[in-house]
Amino acid sequence: GENVEQHPSTLSVQEGDSAVIKCTYSDSASNYFPWYKQELGKRPQLIIDIRSNVGEKKDQRIAVTLNKTAKHFSLHITETQPEDSAVYFCAASPTGGSEKLVFGKGTKLTVNP
Amino acid sequence: GAVVSQHPSWVICKSGTSVKIECRSLDFQATTMFWYRQFPKQSLMLMATSNEGSKATYEQGVEKDKFLINHASLTLSTLTVTSAHPEDSSFYICSASLGIGNQPQHFGDGTRLSIL
Repeated sequence: GENVEQHPSTLSVQEGDSAVIKCTYSDSASNYFPWYKQELGKRPQLIIDIRSNVGEKKDQRIAVTLNKTAKHFSLHITETQPEDSAVYFCAASPTGGSEKLVFGKGTKLTVNP
Repeated sequence: GAVVSQHPSWVICKSGTSVKIECRSLDFQATTMFWYRQFPKQSLMLMATSNEGSKATYEQGVEKDKFLINHASLTLSTLTVTSAHPEDSSFYICSASLGIGNQPQHFGDGTRLSIL
């Protein structure tokens, strides 16, 4: 089965700096990779996703890159703001969003003002 | 669009009680819903996949007689924690997707279950 590793577990940056979170997956059949942001006690919210036919996707300050050969994908947040502070989860799905997701263990991001 | 509602948001009850949690897709039909469990400061662990009109598929180690899942319609799935004990205390979250070719999953607000 799929196994998703996520690093780092905690990340602290100064406001305005960039933050990068990395994930690796084990199942080469996985082809859908979403990222979720979860604030304390709240639901995970989808912030960006990428499919295996795309190498990079960007949405304003957030970008995700995918390296299928190496089986890893990364989340990049530029110009971080205090409201970006949350726990971020990566996930992988073998056949797309309608199938089950395997989540990484999460990264607690703290943006210091 | 793609709003998922979960109810109740918080439950406190005595040991031995059975608790039902509802998950509704408000503006779309979901043939598949998912139930997760999340302990404090940990990741989401998939418990089961709920399929409309058929039996749920449980992940390894999840007791199907303990966690009863019913997906009677395209907009509603329920999770019943039977004879709950303190070790069942956790944050339970459902998700649903359109299920039409690589659609993302959208999560409900979660249910915090505390068993005394």
